[in-house]
Order: sequence, then C-alpha cells, then structure tokens
Amino acid sequence: DAGVIQSPRHEVTEMGQEVTLRCKPISGHNSLFWYRQTMMRGLELLIYFNNNVPIDDSGMPEDRFSAKMPNASFSTLKIQPSEPRDSAVYFCASSFSFGIVGGYTFGSGTRLTVV
Amino acid sequence: GQQLNQNPQSMFIQEGEDVSMNCTSSSIFNTWLWYKQDPGEGPVLLIALYKAGELTSNGRLTAQFGITRKDSFLNISASIPSDVGIYFCAGETYSGGGADGLTFGKGTHLIIQP
Repeated sequence: DAGVIQSPRHEVTEMGQEVTLRCKPISGHNSLFWYRQTMMRGLELLIYFNNNVPIDDSGMPEDRFSAKMPNASFSTLKIQPSEPRDSAVYFCASSFSFGIVGGYTFGSGTRLTVV
Repeated sequence: GQQLNQNPQSMFIQEGEDVSMNCTSSSIFNTWLWYKQDPGEGPVLLIALYKAGELTSNGRLTAQFGITRKDSFLNISASIPSDVGIYFCAGETYSGGGADGLTFGKGTHLIIQP
C-alpha cells in the first residue's frame, strides 16, 4: 500500500494567488481529514469527510479555504486568495470507519509558503 | 473546543535513559493515540488505546489510558538515537456519523545525546 499521497510536497506562492493541495487517501478508507500544522498552534483539524461527505468544517479558518472530495480516492484543499499567514504544513489523513482499525494514517504533508 | 495539555514540551536525555511524557484534558475521549513525527514527515501511529485503564506495550513503548478517560502517559525504555523526534498525544471522539477527528497535544520534542 502506498499510503496517503499528498501533492505537491512543497509549494511557494505569492500572496493573492490560488493554491490547491491534493490528497489521495488509502484505498478502502472512508474517512478523510485535513490538518494544518504550525509552530504556534500545533496540529489543527480543518475539515473532515465521511464517505465523501463533509461532516465538520468548523476548523476552516476563513471563507478563503474550501475543500472537496468528489470521490473516494481524491480530495482537494483550496486557498483563494492566499495570504502569508496561511504558510504552514498541511496534512491529509485517512482512516477506516470510526478509526478504530489502526488509527489514522497521515500523508507526508505539503509545506506551503506564501510570500 | 477540546484541548490536550502535553508535558513536557521538550526533553534532553542521554542515550539509554527511560523517557516519560503525559497528556491531560478536561474532556473525555473515546480513544487515545500516541504518534511520532520525524522531520519532513507526517505523524506515524505508535500506540492506540481504546479502553479506560488500558495498558498497552509496543516494543520499548508503553502507554496507558487513564481511568477517567482524561489522561494518558507514554513511556519509552532504554532510549536509542532513532527515538529522536516529536511525540504527540491525540484524543478521538465519536459521533453518530463516525469519527470526529483527532485533537492533538502540542507535542514533546525528544532530543537524545549519545
């Protein structure tokens, strides 16, 4: 199993540009989570999906952030327009059902730098 | 929202020493998890705890889920250089629709001096 695959690994963009982060969960997992990690705030849950349906997006910081999961094997997190304070490492994680079996599996993350 | 208080924030120890870290919360969690993160990578699951009072080992790692479901500790025995990294505790709750996502502690940075 290739694990959770995120792309790109690194993204440097100018303020005001649109940024799209991509995630391919582990095949068979039916829950998908987007996290953001910063030194100040640690790991924060942004949004999660169960069976491709967004369940809770209360962690999304602003309307500039949006996430979609068009099918069981793909999700995107979009920031439009991006701002320097969005600079962080964004992680995608997937799990099976209630996460009891093996817990959550994280991708390697996308390091976003907005200049 | 829910918060996890993880201590200590960092540890500087000698190779071969035992390590102990803990997490406390004002909220009850259904599941408690311990993760390790290496530089440039995502967190990797070390131990999962599902029952209050449960004590689980994984090699040199031992973790326990507190009776009140509001705390947990992780011990590492006979530390080795590859144990260096950031250790996170995480709590999980379930709703009628499934898992609600993990709440993470701020992490314990473990640094080992040879």
